[in-house]
Amino acid sequence: GENVEQHPSTLSVQEGDSAVIKCTYSDSASNYFPWYKQELGKGPQLIIDIRSNVGEKKDQRIAVTLNKTAKHFSLHITETQPEDSAVYFCAASLTGTASKLTFGTGTRLQVTL
Amino acid sequence: DVKVTQSSRYLVKRTGEKVFLECVQDMDHENMFWYRQDPGLGLRLIYFSYDVKMKEKGDIPEGYSVSREKKERFSLILESASTNQTSMYLCASTRTGRAYEQYFGPGTRLTVT
Repeated sequence: GENVEQHPSTLSVQEGDSAVIKCTYSDSASNYFPWYKQELGKGPQLIIDIRSNVGEKKDQRIAVTLNKTAKHFSLHITETQPEDSAVYFCAASLTGTASKLTFGTGTRLQVTL
Repeated sequence: DVKVTQSSRYLVKRTGEKVFLECVQDMDHENMFWYRQDPGLGLRLIYFSYDVKMKEKGDIPEGYSVSREKKERFSLILESASTNQTSMYLCASTRTGRAYEQYFGPGTRLTVT
């Protein structure tokens, strides 16, 4: 089955700096890669995703890149703000009726003032 | 907005007790999932269901069972709770064909003593 590795497990940045979280996956058939953000006391929430036919996707201060050859994808957050502090999970999936997500182990991002 | 609710935020049970965790979604989603979340291990899939009365094992089904008698409700059952089942339990739901865009509930933190 699919295996997703995520690094780093914790990340501390100063407000205004950029943060990068990296994930690798094992199943070359996976074709959908979402990122979830989990704030304290809440369930994870989808923040951005990328499909295998796209190399990069941006949404305001967040972007995701995908390298299919190397089987890795990354989340980039620019101009970080205190409200970006949360746990971030990457995931991989093979889309279709029977699809399910395989999650990474999570990254705790702390944005300090 | 999709709303996924879980019956309890915090639950304390004794070893050997039968435990029921309930999840309800209000968006007529066909697919529902149960995960457990542990530090350093991310989200691991316990069971999922694609339709009423249907269930499939996830990656870590041992010690758990599920029930889906109605479309909106998915129950996780610990037949005989053990201390190694102390964890955060998350329920999620999504539409058929979009199982990768999962909507999560707030979670139930279960402690087994």
